[in-house]
Amino acid sequence: QVQLQESGPGLVKPSQTLSLTCNVSGGSINSGAYYWSWIRQYPGKGLEWIGYIYYSGSTYYKPSLESRVSMSVDTSRNHFSLSLSSVTAADTAVYYCARDKGGTGSLDYWGQGTLVTVSS
Amino acid sequence: QSALTQPASVSGSPGQSITISCTGTSSDVGAYDYVSWYQHHPGKAPKLIIYGVYNRPSGVSNRFSGSKSGNTASLTISGLLAEDEADYYCSSYTGSSPYVVFGGGTTLTVL
Repeated sequence: QVQLQESGPGLVKPSQTLSLTCNVSGGSINSGAYYWSWIRQYPGKGLEWIGYIYYSGSTYYKPSLESRVSMSVDTSRNHFSLSLSSVTAADTAVYYCARDKGGTGSLDYWGQGTLVTVSS
Repeated sequence: QSALTQPASVSGSPGQSITISCTGTSSDVGAYDYVSWYQHHPGKAPKLIIYGVYNRPSGVSNRFSGSKSGNTASLTISGLLAEDEADYYCSSYTGSSPYVVFGGGTTLTVL
């Protein structure tokens, strides 16, 4: 059974960089069949696709976040990571990592999500 | 503003059927058979219940079904159960950046 687990600070100061890692177990991140995704949910509702990364390191970001976002993959540790720079209160959200079948938006496995609050 | 449009809320009584719509454009929902639906209970991870417009992952009840006509996809839940009360989100592949877009979510209340 594939499992994903997000980890990282729950509190980030404004203007700093949010950094999260998603550990994948029960399956290899090297599988060419999947893209490894980050999604966030704002307080109240609303899922937002942040982007995804392929095991080769190819990245695909939401245009409105592209100037601030960076994703990386470490196949030796079977995990992938998200960095979001220059954060503001508007970046406060629950951040999820998920596995996307073929990069088609079919997110079949998700982490439990981690709340990141941006506050001084 | 979400890329895909869903009703904010729907409701139904146990045993009834409900349908949630997801309206996009000819660049996303209308262009690809890559519409997915997710069930989200607060505090839990979203769960994929439909992918590829009408396919159910293993273990998902056949009370959930999906369809698409033009730029609008739909999720139908038949034989409503109390446990179906949750938020439901649709998503679609777009073929270009951003590659995945979500709907704003629909809260289902089982009366």
